[in-house]
Amino acid sequence: SSELTQDPAVSVALGQTVRITCQGDSLRRYYASWYQQKPGQAPLLVLYGRDNRPSGIPGRFSGSTSGNTASLTVTGAQAEDDADYYCNSRDSGGNLVVFGGGTRLTVL
Amino acid sequence: QLQLQESGPGLVKPSETLSLTCSVSGGPISSNSYYWGWIRQPPGKGLEWIGTIFYSGSPYYNPSLRSRVSISLDTSKNQFSLKLTSVTAADTAIYYCASAYSSASTFDYWGQGTLVTVSS
Repeated sequence: SSELTQDPAVSVALGQTVRITCQGDSLRRYYASWYQQKPGQAPLLVLYGRDNRPSGIPGRFSGSTSGNTASLTVTGAQAEDDADYYCNSRDSGGNLVVFGGGTRLTVL
Repeated sequence: QLQLQESGPGLVKPSETLSLTCSVSGGPISSNSYYWGWIRQPPGKGLEWIGTIFYSGSPYYNPSLRSRVSISLDTSKNQFSLKLTSVTAADTAIYYCASAYSSASTFDYWGQGTLVTVSS
């Protein structure tokens, strides 16, 4: 399968922990990357590989994979984490790139 | 640190060809460490991968667009380009160019995006 499935919306209370998931057969073979997108802005890479954060991304963002499900965890969510989050990966064949449908994270 | 900037017409007529260019600064597009990709986002919707090119390889495309899309490199200008033929209103979107380091699917640097509207 070349699809990645995300929950459309998730909410979290300020300071609490939230997990955003991404499901797809290709995740059994390839790691997911995660992007944060705020209104009017380009996506920003926040996580990639096994659990790697680009320079400047806060340590409250972490990642994991189990079977066909990749997860992005935000520990101690802040108001500025309110955004859309997209996962992506290669497809099962390895040559194509696929994106999940995105998850709207609301920080209450 | 790479910087990418999209350029091209913001309005394209139906059935015509959409052409965009991504100018790269901060590193050569001839690098064997980077992939160069195009991603689009229809208004209010999610991200859709269009295609990716690697300096020393052939481009590969989203199967849903393969018959209409081409991506090429211009090393003399340090740019890469997107052409999408026979456009319709469904091709109206913000178009982003992006770079991916070592992994073809991990886009680490993005352009700011350019809105292309398909309308007569």
